[in-house]
Amino acid sequence: RKEVEQDPGPFNVPEGATVAFNCTYSNSASQSFFWYRQDCRKEPKLLMSVYSSGNEDGRFTAQLNRASQYISLLIRDSKLSDSATYLCVAFSSGSARQLTFGSGTQLTVLP
Amino acid sequence: NAGVTQTPKFQVLKTGQSMTLQCAQDMNHEYMSWYRQDPGMGLRLIHYSVGAGITDQGEVPNGYNVSRSTTEDFPLRLLSAAPSQTSVYFCASSPGTGGYRVEKLFFGSGTQLSVL
Repeated sequence: RKEVEQDPGPFNVPEGATVAFNCTYSNSASQSFFWYRQDCRKEPKLLMSVYSSGNEDGRFTAQLNRASQYISLLIRDSKLSDSATYLCVAFSSGSARQLTFGSGTQLTVLP
Repeated sequence: NAGVTQTPKFQVLKTGQSMTLQCAQDMNHEYMSWYRQDPGMGLRLIHYSVGAGITDQGEVPNGYNVSRSTTEDFPLRLLSAAPSQTSVYFCASSPGTGGYRVEKLFFGSGTQLSVL
């Protein structure tokens, strides 16, 4: 079982829709979580950090459920420019690798 | 402020050849790392460094060497390229805290490597 698992998608949604991605993690010692955005053939870039129960930044909301060991990312009012792959990342200071990446969820927002 | 600069962007090697991927950052970050990204596998850590003169292995270190002689530079060497090393490689850095706490990463633009 992968340490961080994501539904690979693809998610194809119309512009203006609300879409949610889930991510599950297996290491209960994970302390914080991140969502990175990766455009096609580009480097990942940090989208949001999730340290406690959740975080909101404009149209984006990330929530953390430690009891069930999952993180979600909600995108409201989707824009064409939101089309990308979204990577879920778990951080654990007790792990030599420290950051564990999921394989990503692909989103395409359609006009 | 250039951030993380990674070269080359593309490289084709023959099996058995060696090469070095360059990575430099100008943010005075303590932590630097190399990842490879393969379809369906996510980013996997190859090697990392928490400061000049200190390196350690990640999840998939075999076939790769690193060194960290300065804070700015963290080159990745492929000793004898194999087709299994065909991948996209990313260098990343983080300011960290005390050199050992890594959270937010700043990535270079990546190297597409093909080994024939």
